[in-house]
Amino acid sequence: GAGVSQTPSNKVTEKGKYVELRCDPISGHTALYWYRQSLGQGPEFLIYFQGTGAADDSGLPNDRFFAVRPEGSVSTLKIQRTERGDSAVYLCASSIDEENTGELFFGEGSRLTVL
Amino acid sequence: QKEVEQDPGPLSVPEGAIVSLNCTYSNSAFQYFMWYRQYSRKGPELLMYTYSSGNKEDGRFTAQVDKSSKYISLFIRDSQPSDSATYLCAMSAKERYSTLTFGKGTMLLVSP
Repeated sequence: GAGVSQTPSNKVTEKGKYVELRCDPISGHTALYWYRQSLGQGPEFLIYFQGTGAADDSGLPNDRFFAVRPEGSVSTLKIQRTERGDSAVYLCASSIDEENTGELFFGEGSRLTVL
Repeated sequence: QKEVEQDPGPLSVPEGAIVSLNCTYSNSAFQYFMWYRQYSRKGPELLMYTYSSGNKEDGRFTAQVDKSSKYISLFIRDSQPSDSATYLCAMSAKERYSTLTFGKGTMLLVSP
């Protein structure tokens, strides 16, 4: 596609439920990133993929969060046992390769609300 | 103290004004400096990218980096109502250049 595509755009769930958020990067981009943006804050890094492997997952807040990118393209962010504090906009970004420092192309985000 | 500090604003200016947006940071390892613009309910989009110290100009936008003071700036000349958005500074270190640390963002409002 022309840009980074994220689905769903909005997700409302109840505390304790499981959630999956999907990201489809720009075609040909090998690097993929997940960030989380809480209200009134800047995006915070969660995880970075180069190809199929997670090159850096140091930003994942705890073991309830997990992300995969099995074929090196689409990625899924998975959140288990959701908590109200997980409510945020989850942003996905891609770049052409890991050398393209800082030039990330962001999707519009998936807005997660945990009731 | 957060690694990157940015005044959240809002900053209100009349159309045509020169706007100055700033960030300070504490991590001396940061070497890559960026400014992103984010419209409401949209993802951030890259405006300017600078490596190490110095100035960079692109149309109405000028980015400045002063590593000795750990201070970066974005200037917008002849501001337009369409510039109304949140401006996020972001930076990364040489060893982890692919992961960005963002400021909170400054909301800019340009009135006609």
